[in-house]
Amino acid sequence: QQQVKQSPQSLIVQKGGISIINCAYENTAFDYFPWYQQFPGKGPALLIAIRPDVSEKKEGRFTISFNKSAKQFSLHIMDSQPGDSATYFCAASSGGGADGLTFGKGTHLIIQP
Amino acid sequence: DAGVIQSPRHEVTEMGQEVTLRCKPISGHDYLFWYRQTMMRGLELLIYFNNNVPIDDSGMPEDRFSAKMPNASFSTLKIQPSEPRDSAVYFCASGSWSRGGADTQYFGPGTRLTVL
Repeated sequence: QQQVKQSPQSLIVQKGGISIINCAYENTAFDYFPWYQQFPGKGPALLIAIRPDVSEKKEGRFTISFNKSAKQFSLHIMDSQPGDSATYFCAASSGGGADGLTFGKGTHLIIQP
Repeated sequence: DAGVIQSPRHEVTEMGQEVTLRCKPISGHDYLFWYRQTMMRGLELLIYFNNNVPIDDSGMPEDRFSAKMPNASFSTLKIQPSEPRDSAVYFCASGSWSRGGADTQYFGPGTRLTVL
């Protein structure tokens, strides 16, 4: 499996601010790019996902930006709330997601009230 | 739906013992994945099945690990013999990419394995 690089490792944002997490991938066969949210003691839960035929996808306060030529994608959390404090993982897969996910190392996000 | 069910939730065993982790996927899902999460290596895909058939087991760390899916509603991950470095949280996920499927993976709550 090719690597997915995620940054930063940790992030502190004030309530109401914008949280931005970045990922880069190598394998051009990847065609599905999800973001997962994980709380302590829980399994990862899908937050939002994008396919390479679009450059941006927005769901509520969460937006994925995708740059196919640069092989990069990012998660933006608008109006960040204390309840958003969690670990966020980017991932990538081929086969539309059916081939198994290659995960980034995760970003520990803390939203300060 | 109850979601992906894993058992046990916690397992503590001694080095050399056999460990069996169990997973019940979401009904109707035709893909099942096993992942391992550690601080050092993060989340890693171990193996996945499609229609109960193993498709890619290249992530299985060594011969001590084996996985089976005898039917569409049950899978096991077995470690024999277990070693302290196997200590991790093991996740099962399921999904469906057939017509009308959600085209994504749903994760279970995980099994925290500690090998002493």
